[in-house]
Amino acid sequence: ETGVTQTPRHLVMGMTNKKSLKCEQHLGHNAMYWYKQSAKKPLELMFVYSLEERVENNSVPSRFSPECPNSSHLFLHLHTLQPEDSALYLCASTLGSQGGYNEQFFGPGTRLTVL
Amino acid sequence: RKEVEQDPGPFNVPEGATVAFNCTYSNSASQSFFWYRQDCRKEPKLLMSVYSSGNEDGRFTAQLNRASQYISLLIRDSKLSDSATYLCVVNALSGTYKYIFGTGTRLKVLA
Repeated sequence: ETGVTQTPRHLVMGMTNKKSLKCEQHLGHNAMYWYKQSAKKPLELMFVYSLEERVENNSVPSRFSPECPNSSHLFLHLHTLQPEDSALYLCASTLGSQGGYNEQFFGPGTRLTVL
Repeated sequence: RKEVEQDPGPFNVPEGATVAFNCTYSNSASQSFFWYRQDCRKEPKLLMSVYSSGNEDGRFTAQLNRASQYISLLIRDSKLSDSATYLCVVNALSGTYKYIFGTGTRLKVLA
């Protein structure tokens, strides 16, 4: 176990639904990340929070809305998604507030299907 | 040119073989480099960080060539359990949180 948990593990939703993905890290890390992994594509960085402040926002459509209430929890709120948003959504965390030098620990991911 | 580029494979090798993967990166200012392993339908896990002087961990050796902007991973004495996708990861700019992932190289070790 990596110490990063994600719920739900699988999610099927219609285009008009609103849902949220949850990530929790039990490692005492300071930074948390959301990635999207689609088939045949590299992981795409979506959002990064460091010490609960958003530090990266990679031109992600507004139908994805992140929330970081504290350094252990990260949410991704979803609304009016499109079928092309179907993918594996991975949460990760790193120790320390200095970006880029630390190992990322990943959660098991949420496999999202948008109908 | 992609920021991080890998040969997707698959590399099919017999048990006991030595196999090497390369990964090229486009940003010469990149400072941190990593190899991750991802099993089918699982999350990526760190295999090793890559240091300027090169580093070894058991059967795995990673090297960095800054002049040619590539990193490599060598696996000796391949095991069936080494079958996975190997992801090259580069930190785009020192001090930022922007990790750039390659598409991964798929390895199949055959009995």
